[in-house]
Amino acid sequence: DIQMTQSPSSLSASVGDTVSITCQASQDIANFLNWYQQKPGKAPKVLIKAASHLEEGVPSRFSGSGSGTDFTFTISSLQPEDIATYYCQQYDNLPLFGQGTRLEIK
Amino acid sequence: QVQLQESGPGLVRPSETLSLTCTVSGGSISSYYWSWIRQPPGKGLEWIGYVYYSGTTDYSPSLKSRATISVDRPKNQFSLKLSSVTAADTAVYYCARDLTKGGFDYFDYWGQGILVTVSS
Repeated sequence: DIQMTQSPSSLSASVGDTVSITCQASQDIANFLNWYQQKPGKAPKVLIKAASHLEEGVPSRFSGSGSGTDFTFTISSLQPEDIATYYCQQYDNLPLFGQGTRLEIK
Repeated sequence: QVQLQESGPGLVRPSETLSLTCTVSGGSISSYYWSWIRQPPGKGLEWIGYVYYSGTTDYSPSLKSRATISVDRPKNQFSLKLSSVTAADTAVYYCARDLTKGGFDYFDYWGQGILVTVSS
C-alpha cells in the first residue's frame, strides 16, 4: 500500500512570508497528487490538482510542484485568510490523504 | 451549482450500524464517482470508499470489512453503512463528488459534513 508522509505537522509564519509544505509518497505516483485547504468547521477545498495545476478561482500565490515521490506546496506572500490546515491527497491508487499541516499566523 | 447534503442519526450506539445518506442536488448523480470521507475530531481526513453511478464500489482496505456504499439513482442519493461501530468511528462524515476528467481526479464538491458520535 502507498504511504503518504506530509511535513511539517504544524507551521507558524508571518503575513507576507513564503511557506512550503512537503508530501512524500512511498512509491512513484507520477503527478497523481492534489492539495486541499480546510478551514475550521468547513469541508476541504481543492487548491492544486495533479501536483501543479491551480484550480480555477484559487489565488496565484498558491502553487505546487513535484512528481514521482516528492511534492511541495507553496504559499507565497502569506495572507491572514490562509490560516487553515492543508492536506495532500494521492490518487495513483485508492485515495489517500496526508496527515495534514496546520498553518498559523505569527 | 451542485450541492451535497448528508443526513442521518447523529448518535449511534456501539456495535450497531451507522447509516448515512447523501442527497445530490443541482446536478445528476450519473457519470461520476461519489465518495465518503471522515474526520475524527481534531484529526485528519480518511477516505472510506466510493460508489460509481453504475453501482461499482471500492473501499479503503482498513474499512472494507465493515463499510457498504450504495447508490439510488432515481433519488439522486448515495448511502453509507458502517457496521459494528466503536468509539473510534466517531467523526464528521463528509460526502463528496470525485471528478475524474481530463487527466485530473479530485474531490470538487463536498457536503457540509455531519458529526456522528458513537456512544451508549
